Amino acid sequence: AQSVAQPEDQVNVAEGNPLTVKCTYSVSGNPYLFWYVQYPNRGLQFLLKYITGDNLVKGSYGFEAEFNKSQTSFHLKKPSALVSDSALYFCAVRDIGTGGFKTIFGAGTRLFVKA
Amino acid sequence: DTAVSQTPKYLVTQMGNDKSIKCEQNLGHDTMYWYKQDSKKFLKIMFSYNNKELIINETVPNRFSPKSPDKAHLNLHINSLELGDSAVYFCASSPSGSRADTQYFGPGTRLTVL
Repeated sequence: AQSVAQPEDQVNVAEGNPLTVKCTYSVSGNPYLFWYVQYPNRGLQFLLKYITGDNLVKGSYGFEAEFNKSQTSFHLKKPSALVSDSALYFCAVRDIGTGGFKTIFGAGTRLFVKA
Repeated sequence: DTAVSQTPKYLVTQMGNDKSIKCEQNLGHDTMYWYKQDSKKFLKIMFSYNNKELIINETVPNRFSPKSPDKAHLNLHINSLELGDSAVYFCASSPSGSRADTQYFGPGTRLTVL
C-alpha cells in the first residue's frame, strides 16, 4: 500500500521568509503526489500535483514542490510566506483501491505565518 | 457558483438517530467521494462512486449507506448514530476517477452526536 508521511505537526515562519512543508512518500512504482490546503472551516483545495516530467512543480498561490526520487520526498515550498498562507496542508498520494483509485492523505501540517 | 455543495453545514443529533447528508457537484465529474475528518484532522476515504456505481468501500460500518441517484449527487445516510461518528464529513468529486485526478471538495458537514 502506498503512503505519505508529514513529519511536522506544525511549522512556524515569519512573513516574508521562505517556507517549507515536508512530505515523504512510500510507494511501489511511480508515485502520483498531490498537495492540498485547508483553510479554517473550509474544504480542501488543490495546490499542485506531480505526475511525471519536471521535478519542480509550480502550483497555486505561488507554491511549488520538488519531487526527489532518491530521497522519496515531495516538499512544498514558497519563497516568501504571507500571513494568509496560514492553514493546514495535506500531502497525498493516489493509490489503487479494490475498484478504483483513492487518495491517501498525510496527517497534515499546520502552517503558522507570523506578521 | 458553488462547484461542490453539501447540506447541511452543521448537524447536531442524539445517539441512535438516523440522519442524511446531501452532496451535489455541478462540475460534470464522473466520480464522487465521501471522506471523514476526525478531531485530529486526519482525513480518510469512506466511499467512492463512479457514474452512480460504488467502486470503493473502505470497511465502513454498514450503518453508513451512500446513495447516488445520478452522477451529480452522492448522499450519505447514517443509521443508529454513535458518539464516534462525530466528525466533519467531506464530499468531493473528480473528473474521471483516474490516478491523475485532482479532487474538488465541498465545504464539509460538521456532525455532532450527543
